[in-house]
Order: sequence, then C-alpha cells, then structure tokens
Amino acid sequence: QVQLQESGPGLVKPSETLSLTCTVSGSSISSDYYWGWIRQPPGKGLEWIGSFHHSGIGDYNPSLKSRLTTSLDTSNNQFSLRLNSVTATDTAIYYCARGSGSRRQGTFDIWGQGTMATVSS
Amino acid sequence: QSVLTQPPSASGTPGQRVTISCSGSSSNIGSNTVNWYQQVPGTAPKLLIYSNNQRPSGVPDRFSGSKSGTSASLAISGLQSEDEADYCCAAWDDSLYGVVFGGGTKLTVL
Repeated sequence: QVQLQESGPGLVKPSETLSLTCTVSGSSISSDYYWGWIRQPPGKGLEWIGSFHHSGIGDYNPSLKSRLTTSLDTSNNQFSLRLNSVTATDTAIYYCARGSGSRRQGTFDIWGQGTMATVSS
Repeated sequence: QSVLTQPPSASGTPGQRVTISCSGSSSNIGSNTVNWYQQVPGTAPKLLIYSNNQRPSGVPDRFSGSKSGTSASLAISGLQSEDEADYCCAAWDDSLYGVVFGGGTKLTVL
C-alpha cells in the first residue's frame, strides 16, 4: 500500500523559508512515477506547485518558480520543497502526491494527508 | 479566479443523477485530458476520474466523466449521502505551462 506523509514546521515567519518533506512508503521515488506538490489556501481551491521525476525533469508553477526549490532523497525515499520569501498568501495546506501517466496530465493518484503551513510573525 | 470554471454548488436527492460542469479553453481542456478529484471536507483530494473518462480501481461506476471541446462533465448517478463532497476538475494548460484546477463544486445531498 502506497502512502505519502508530509512533514514540516506549522508556522513560518514572513520573509523566511518554508521547508516541507514528503516521505513515501510502498513505492520507490526512483520508479517511473513523478512526484508533486499541491497546496490549498484555507477555504479555497487547489493550486499546483510543481511536478518532477527522479531523472531531474520537472515542471513548476510559473508564479512560484523563482522562489521554489525541490529535491529528491532516494536513500530515504523522500522528496522536499523549499519556498523562500514567504508571505501570508503562502498560508495553505500543502499536499504531496504521486503522479501517474504523463507528467503533463496532472493525474495525481495517491495523496498525502496534507500539512498546514501558516505564515505569521 | 480559477482557470477552469465550475459552478460553486450543486445538489440532488438520494438516487438522483447529478452532473457537474468544468469549462476551460483551447489551451487546457481543448487540447489535454481532464481529471476529476473528490475531496471530503477535512481530508485530502482523491482521484475520481482520469484521462477524461477513466476510473481508477475502486471508484464505483456510478461516477463517469466526459469531455467535449473545451468543456468537461462529471456525472454521478444513484446519488448517495456519502457522495457529499467537493469536486474539482484539473488539466494541463499549454499556455500557462502547468496544471490548472477548477475552483471546485460543493455537492450537497438533500
């Protein structure tokens, strides 16, 4: 059974960096799936952050790309997100997910439970 | 303002058939496949339909998807109380170069 679990600090100060990790079990991040991050501000809809493959190929939301860094740790079967210079508008539930099919289909078949990240001083 | 447009709400009674629409443009739905997600409040989204009309294993055949031109629809037949959730469409957008989501439709089972 494939499971994804997000982890990270629940509170981040404005202008600082939000760092999140997704731990994957039941599926290798080196397999032929891609991995992604999606966020959901309180009471709002889903926003795609980025999707990437262990080969290094990835696509990222143009509105976030300049502040975004993603990485994969194959030895621990984890992948991470770093979003710098955060503001209150980055407050959201952050989900990690496994993508299937073509990377440019947006088909996320397995999701983590999500982790709330609040930007506040 | 979401790139894909959905009605904010829909409703139906148990046993009824309900459809939820998703309207886009030539750069997203018009040229790429559509996925649908179901999200029960307080939980993570769940993939319901992929590639316009394909159901993942475990999704009841009461759920079906279709696409025509720049619009897509999700149909739920034999509505059940457990279907009460938010439903969201998604597709790749060739112009924005990314995955775009609809704003979501809150389905109420009366």
